[in-house]
Amino acid sequence: QQPVQSPQAVILREGEDAVINCSSSKALYSVHWYRQKHGEAPVFLMILLKGGEQKGHEKISASFNEKKQQSSLYLTASQLSYSGTYFCGTESDKLIFGTGTRLQVFP
Amino acid sequence: NAGVTQTPKFRILKIGQSMTLQCTQDMNHNYMYWYRQDPGMGLKLIYYSVGAGITDKGEVPNGYNVSRSTTEDFPLRLELAAPSQTSVYFCASSGTAYTNTGELFFGEGSRLTVL
Repeated sequence: QQPVQSPQAVILREGEDAVINCSSSKALYSVHWYRQKHGEAPVFLMILLKGGEQKGHEKISASFNEKKQQSSLYLTASQLSYSGTYFCGTESDKLIFGTGTRLQVFP
Repeated sequence: NAGVTQTPKFRILKIGQSMTLQCTQDMNHNYMYWYRQDPGMGLKLIYYSVGAGITDKGEVPNGYNVSRSTTEDFPLRLELAAPSQTSVYFCASSGTAYTNTGELFFGEGSRLTVL
């Protein structure tokens, strides 16, 4: 079952904050977050392991609620370079990616 | 440092033709994956491998086959190509234990069109 992300799209001005949510119907061992720019391959941002949380990238952080089978990605003081599509990847017996959230940051 | 290399980058196939997408990694990773991404959509797992000689189905395996005879290579075979297989195909690898998979390193992608 593919994890569901919300919102589907976000439009921001530089400096604004955003939250992207990822929800799974299955128990999770870990949650990955990736960013993909148009025409390029996804790039790893961070991984959150069961029982812990790992901040991995600039002003981007995330949380992992194992009981609710949810993760949230927090982008603070957004920059133009944050634009792209964000995917969560949830792992129970294999790594499955979510539906994606398109983020656009304008000057 | 090459990382994950996919070939070809672009290919046009006729309906019913077969082809193999090549993927090789030089990071000595145990775990390798094939995903497909349709336009404007997310990544769907086709097949994955946890080591040489071991492969398993992902979310959308129908119409594809894989093999893993070496740690470095993980080719994806398309038999009897159909228009529904028009997509961008990404190969990825990772090195840590499966149940706590680390970072996935992606290849640049192979864009396949079936006409």
